[in-house]
Amino acid sequence: RKEVEQDPGPFNVPEGATVAFNCTYSNSASQSFFWYRQDCRKEPKLLMSVYSSGNEDGRFTAQLNRASQYISLLIRDSKLSDSATYLCVPRRYGGSQGNLIFGKGTKLSVKP
Amino acid sequence: EPEVTQTPSHQVTQMGQEVILRCVPISNHLYFYWYRQILGQKVEFLVSFYNNEISEKSEIFDDQFSVERPDGSNFTLKIRSTKLEDSAMYFCASSADSGYGYTFGSGTRLTVV
Repeated sequence: RKEVEQDPGPFNVPEGATVAFNCTYSNSASQSFFWYRQDCRKEPKLLMSVYSSGNEDGRFTAQLNRASQYISLLIRDSKLSDSATYLCVPRRYGGSQGNLIFGKGTKLSVKP
Repeated sequence: EPEVTQTPSHQVTQMGQEVILRCVPISNHLYFYWYRQILGQKVEFLVSFYNNEISEKSEIFDDQFSVERPDGSNFTLKIRSTKLEDSAMYFCASSADSGYGYTFGSGTRLTVV
């Protein structure tokens, strides 16, 4: 089973739409969770951390369900500039500090 | 906003040659990482580094790879004898604490010919 599974998309949505991404992770020992976005041929950029209680940052809302090993990201009022690949990233603990585990992500394309 | 800086942005090298990829992490960060991304593939972990030693490494990080922090600011990845399959984007990252998300540099595109 893959460590991180996301619908690869692409999700094609009009400007102003609300879009939701889901993610499941396999390692129940994962303690920290993040959403990154990656533009084509660019570095991953941290979008937001994900907390057990759920958290919001402007148009973005993240949720974590540890029992189901499930993470979500909701984007409201999507903008053209939101077009990117969205990566659900759990932090696996191993060695002395662990590391971030990336999947292939979900591609979002916001159209005018 | 503080940045992770990587040089060069693009390097072309012949198979069998040694390359050194350079990174300047954010100045107050203590944890350093190298990742790579082959075109069209996911970002893959190579190695993590803390307190002047390797904390963890993946199966990709074999004897051909090494990392070094030669001074208080630089963090380097060396590939001793490059192979065609080493062609990828190499990202350096750093974090202030082991529980935080990482800040990535803009990457070095390595092309082995």
